Amino acid sequence: DGGITQSPKYLFRKEGQNVTLSCEQNLNHDAMYWYRQDPGQGLRLIYYSQIVNDFQKGDIAEGYSVSREKKESFPLTVTSAQKNPTAFYLCASSLTGISYEQYFGPGTRLTVT
Amino acid sequence: KNQVEQSPQSLIILEGKNCTLQCNYTVSPFSNLRWYKQDTGRGPVSLTIMTFSENTKSNGRYTATLDADTKQSSLHITASQLSDSASYICVVSSDLAGNNRKLIWGLGTSLAVNP
Repeated sequence: DGGITQSPKYLFRKEGQNVTLSCEQNLNHDAMYWYRQDPGQGLRLIYYSQIVNDFQKGDIAEGYSVSREKKESFPLTVTSAQKNPTAFYLCASSLTGISYEQYFGPGTRLTVT
Repeated sequence: KNQVEQSPQSLIILEGKNCTLQCNYTVSPFSNLRWYKQDTGRGPVSLTIMTFSENTKSNGRYTATLDADTKQSSLHITASQLSDSASYICVVSSDLAGNNRKLIWGLGTSLAVNP
C-alpha cells in the first residue's frame, strides 16, 4: 500500500522546545516537500528536496530545518526560533521537480503553548 | 505579482445539485494548473492537472476547464454528494528563470453539501 505517512497526527509542545515532524514515503519519489497551512492562507512552502542529501529553502524557511539522508524520509524540525510554530504541517512528494503532481500526507497539527 | 484568486470563498448547495468553482490567475510564465480537494484536517488530493494546451479535463464527476487566454479555470461538480464537502484549491505552476519552478496556491473554496 503506497503512500506518504506523517506522524504524529497531533503534537503538543511547550514554547522554547524544538520538535521534529516525521514524513516517510514509499512511492519511490525523488522530490519531497514541507508546507505549512494556516487559516485563511494558502499553503506556504517551507523546504523542499529534489534528491538525497540536498535541499533548498522555500518561502518561509526561517526557524525550520530539514535533512534528507534517505530517499524515503524527509523530517522537519521546528526550532525555538520559529516565532509562530502553531500550524498544520503537510509533507508531499513528487516524481521529480515541482511541476509534477504532488502527493500529500495526512498532515501533523502542531500546537505550541 | 503572481496571484491565484478563487471564488466564491464558500458555497453551500443541496445534495444532487451541480456547482461551479472559479479560479483566476495572473501567473506568468504558466506551466500547469491543478485542482486539489482537501477534506478538513487532511492533506490535499489531486483532482486534475491541466497544461496550456488542455481546455477540459474530467475526473469522474469533476470537470475542470482552462482558458489560457483569459487566465481562468473552473471546476464543475456534477450531481454533488455529501462526500464532496471539502475545500477545493486551485494551484498554478510557474516556470521561472534558471529552470526554477514555483507553485502559487489559491486560498480555496469551501464547499458544503447539505442533505
